[in-house]
Amino acid sequence: GDSVTQMEGPVTLSEEACLTINCTYTATGYPSLFWYVQYPGEGLQLLLKATKADDKGSNKGFEATYRKETTSFHLEKGSVQVSDSAVYFCALRLSGGYNKLIFGAGTRLAVHP
Amino acid sequence: DTAVSQTPKYLVTQMGNDKSIKCEQNLGHDTMYWYKQDSKKFLKIMFSYNNKELIINETVPNRFSPKSPDKAHLNLHINSLELGDSAVYFCASSQDGGRETQYFGPGTRLLVL
Repeated sequence: GDSVTQMEGPVTLSEEACLTINCTYTATGYPSLFWYVQYPGEGLQLLLKATKADDKGSNKGFEATYRKETTSFHLEKGSVQVSDSAVYFCALRLSGGYNKLIFGAGTRLAVHP
Repeated sequence: DTAVSQTPKYLVTQMGNDKSIKCEQNLGHDTMYWYKQDSKKFLKIMFSYNNKELIINETVPNRFSPKSPDKAHLNLHINSLELGDSAVYFCASSQDGGRETQYFGPGTRLLVL
């Protein structure tokens, strides 16, 4: 069935380190792909999205490229900050049909000064 | 001016009880959702309503019953609570029949003893 697999956390980094959180998916058709972020005590917020192959989503210094050949949508940031500490969720939305999101398990990121 | 709000934030109750979680959105959206996040952090959709009409109903026990009194509210009522119902429940909303970005509430942490 349709699914999203994320790397397990927690990921612990020092400030200004490079970040990569891996995400791969299994889906029929041409899904849209998303990264959501959940800061402590808050709801999920959309971080970035890509709706077709080779699209690059970007926001707040984060980037992810929709790679259909490897069915991946890895999240990257060149220099993380303490304020980036949060849980990051990769998700897909199937093409056609209703707006049903399928989420990965989430990856907790902790950034230390 | 919270966009999507949920009450209560925490809910601790005994097995067998009936409880409700309320969700309200002030974004003027026409579609609302309930998601469940289990102990392993997996987020799964439970229900979706569009203009007060049920459009997504995943395989959940019929002890769970969503109620949408109007477009801005989608409440979740749970009968005969079981230990396995312990989870974080997230409400979300989106516009355009659900084709647009979903905005999430802060979540309700339910603990069944």
